Amino acid sequence: QGQLVESGGGVVQAGTSLRLSCAASGFSFSDYAIHWVRQAPGKGLEWVTMIWYDGINKDYADSVKGRFTISRDNSKNTLSLQMNNLRAEDTAVYYCAKDRGRRRLPQNAFDLWGQGTMVTVSS
Amino acid sequence: DIQMTQSPASLSASVGDRVIITCRAGQTISTYLYWYQQKPGKAPNLLIYAASFLQSGVPSRFSGSGAGTDFTLTISSLQPEDFATYYCQQSYTPPFTFGQGTRLE
Repeated sequence: QGQLVESGGGVVQAGTSLRLSCAASGFSFSDYAIHWVRQAPGKGLEWVTMIWYDGINKDYADSVKGRFTISRDNSKNTLSLQMNNLRAEDTAVYYCAKDRGRRRLPQNAFDLWGQGTMVTVSS
Repeated sequence: DIQMTQSPASLSASVGDRVIITCRAGQTISTYLYWYQQKPGKAPNLLIYAASFLQSGVPSRFSGSGAGTDFTLTISSLQPEDFATYYCQQSYTPPFTFGQGTRLE
C-alpha cells in the first residue's frame, strides 16, 4: 500500500522561506504524480501543487504560484516543496498525497496521504 | 476555479441511520468527483472515486452517485466509526478544489 512521511514544518516569520520534504516507501514512487494539499487550522482542504511522475509537468494553485516550487528526486523516492515569501495565510498542515492514477494518466485524486507537517507563519 | 458546494455543512445522525451528503459543482465535471473521510487529527481517506466507485478496502455501506454537477454520498447504515468530516473534490481541471466539508456528528 505504501507510506508517505512529511518533514520540515515549523514556525517561521512572514517573508521567510521553508522547505518541506516527503519521503515515500512501499510503492513505485517514480510511477505516480504526487500532490501537496494543505489544511489551515479548523478549515477545509486546499490543493496546493502537483508534480507528474517524471518531474516534468507541474501545476500550482494561484495562491502559491511564483512563491512555491515543487520538485522530486525519483532516485531517492523523495518530494520537496520550497516555500518562499511565506505569508500568514500559508499557515496550515501540509500533506503530501499520492495520485490515484499512474504515469501519463493521473487522476488528480489522492489515495495515499502522509500524516502531515505543520507550518506556522507569524506576522 | 470550479466551486464545490456541499450540503449540509453539518449533520446530526445516529448509529443505524441512512445518511446522504450532497455536493454540487459550479460547472459540469462529468464524473471527475471523489469523496474523502477525515477524522480529527488525521489525514483524509479516499472513499469513492469517479463519482460512484468504491475505493479498495472501504466498507460497502458507502456509495456514491451522480454526474455533471450534482453528486451524493450515501452511508446506508451509520456505524460509530463513521462520525467524521466528509469532503468532495473535483479532479476535472486544476485547481483541484474541495467542498467545504460536511461534519457528521
